[in-house]
Amino acid sequence: DAEITQSPRHKITETGRQVTLACHQTWNHNNMFWYRQDLGHGLRLIHYSYGVQDTNKGEVSDGYSVSRSNTEDLPLTLESAASSQTSVYFCASSRGIGTEAFFGQGTRLTVV
Amino acid sequence: QKEVEQNSGPLSVPEGAIASLNCTYSDRGSQSFFWYRQYSGKSPELIMFIYSNGDKEDGRFTAQLNKASQYVSLLIRDSQPSDSATYLCAVALITQGGSEKLVFGKGTKLTVNP
Repeated sequence: DAEITQSPRHKITETGRQVTLACHQTWNHNNMFWYRQDLGHGLRLIHYSYGVQDTNKGEVSDGYSVSRSNTEDLPLTLESAASSQTSVYFCASSRGIGTEAFFGQGTRLTVV
Repeated sequence: QKEVEQNSGPLSVPEGAIASLNCTYSDRGSQSFFWYRQYSGKSPELIMFIYSNGDKEDGRFTAQLNKASQYVSLLIRDSQPSDSATYLCAVALITQGGSEKLVFGKGTKLTVNP
């Protein structure tokens, strides 16, 4: 069955380190999204991509970057991890405009 | 103004009652609207989508869209304890570059009491 997977599921890292969270989908979806979820803030959009080589900033993109070199993957990189980036991160994908988005299981990141 | 806003919770209803969840959005160009349910510690999952003004019913769930007033709502009839979750409103916005941006509200936590 097609799916979307995130790895790792849990990560503890130190302040200042570079961290990459992986997101892989097998639906061949064009759209991919990264969100962070914090208590009181809901899901906030970090970056999104409409297809290969397309990336766009969301509302909370500072300190994060993404690249889309193929359809299946959209890795999220924290350039220099900060304690404020401790959060649960969700990756999602959708086939096209206005269609259902499917979510990965989430990655719980702790920056100490 | 936030792009997508939901009525503040938490919302508590007795079993069998109707739960009403509301959402407003700021971009008049929005075309697609979604309701997701998220159980504690889990990923969001889609329960309803609506594109046209009016009502859309699916079992115990009814989504209502009013583009003129820029609001979308979700009604849950005959609420069950298993409906206890956080409900997230999402709006798809088409950017100038042609990309789709899916923006979520903060969510409303619903508790259905037996």
